[in-house]
Amino acid sequence: QITLKESGPTLVKPTQTLTLTCTFSGFSLTTSGVGVGWIRQPPGKALEWLTLIYWDGDKRYSPSLKSRLTITGDTSKNLVVLTMSNMDPLDTATYYCARTNDMGATRPFDYWGHGTLVTVSS
Amino acid sequence: QSVLTQPPSASGTPGQRVTISCSGSSSNIGSNAVNWYQQLPGTAPKLLIYSNNQRPSGVPDRFSGSKSGTTASLAISGLQSEDEADYYCAAWDDSLNGVLFGGGTKLTVL
Repeated sequence: QITLKESGPTLVKPTQTLTLTCTFSGFSLTTSGVGVGWIRQPPGKALEWLTLIYWDGDKRYSPSLKSRLTITGDTSKNLVVLTMSNMDPLDTATYYCARTNDMGATRPFDYWGHGTLVTVSS
Repeated sequence: QSVLTQPPSASGTPGQRVTISCSGSSSNIGSNAVNWYQQLPGTAPKLLIYSNNQRPSGVPDRFSGSKSGTTASLAISGLQSEDEADYYCAAWDDSLNGVLFGGGTKLTVL
């Protein structure tokens, strides 16, 4: 059974750095074709992809947020960490981690965590 | 503003067939496969269609996907009340070197 779970603060102040952890089970980040990504969703708005880390260590970032994001993986502990610097109230959103996997001609997000709501406010 | 354009809303009555479009460009839909996600109210998104027209195990065959050029479509036949949800298309973008999501379509079952 594949599960992912996000954890971290629910409230951060403007300018602070957010650190979120995605703890997963049922798969390994060392398996070829597998990756873990972060996607966020402001209240009432659309999904926005943030970043991905693949089984081979390759990392991808949303160009609009690249300067603020860092993704790291710990294959021994089955977790992926997202850091986002200089938080702003506009970053208030539910943050999801999800697994991506080779499926035919694409790598969709086939398993998702429940998400964690992060509010940015002083 | 999303680069993948979806209609903000769609509706239908039970039993009807509804189609949701997703329009992109040559760097995303035109050259990469499209995936669709269903997000029921208050829940995380769920993979509905991958590789343009493939259904993961457990997804009813009432849901189907297609792609032509730079436009993809999701069709739902035999509409049911439990299909009321937000639907998102997504595709890799070669220019951005990342994943793009559409703006989402809110489906209402009348």
